[in-house]
Amino acid sequence: GENVEQHPSTLSVQEGDSAVIKCTYSDSASNYFPWYKQELGKRPQLIIDIRSNVGEKKDQRIAVTLNKTAKHFSLHITETQPEDSAVYFCAASTGGFKTIFGAGTRLFVKA
Amino acid sequence: GAGVSQSPSNKVTEKGKDVELRCDPISGHTALYWYRQSLGQGLEFLIYFQGNSAPDKSGLPSDRFSAERTGGSVSTLTIQRTQQEDSAVYLCASSWNQGNYEQYFGPGTRLTVT
Repeated sequence: GENVEQHPSTLSVQEGDSAVIKCTYSDSASNYFPWYKQELGKRPQLIIDIRSNVGEKKDQRIAVTLNKTAKHFSLHITETQPEDSAVYFCAASTGGFKTIFGAGTRLFVKA
Repeated sequence: GAGVSQSPSNKVTEKGKDVELRCDPISGHTALYWYRQSLGQGLEFLIYFQGNSAPDKSGLPSDRFSAERTGGSVSTLTIQRTQQEDSAVYLCASSWNQGNYEQYFGPGTRLTVT
């Protein structure tokens, strides 16, 4: 069945450094790739998304890249801040009928 | 406006009992999703609704799980004969339509089966 693998499961960085989270997906029909941030005890919230007709998208300190050939997409956070500490989930969707999430990456930003 | 709401926020039940979890999506959102999140784990897709129909039930873990949505709005997830492994947070999300739109999540229902 469809699968999304996410790495690393835990990531610890110093404040100001960059953080990179990588995901691979199995369903070649996937065409929408959102990233959600879940702070402790809170609900997941969308932070950025990318569609299959785009290779890269940026929003301030956050960027996402997509390699459809390799079925691989990544989240890049630059100039990390303590408030970036959270669990980040990648996901892959095919026309919205089903969204498969990765297992999550717990990011710690040390002040 | 109001976001996605879920009730109850917490539910403790004895093994073997049935439970019903409720989700109120954002008004006007036609797509509704149910996920299960075990402690420290990712989001496991359970079922998806477009309007009142559920084109994809493939994520339901067993026939003890069922869900319905009436009037294109409120949805209930029912778990019959609960087992301890059903303990998790059950999250509901809604989006404007199918087809790759942002999903807005509810606060979840924490289910504990003793």
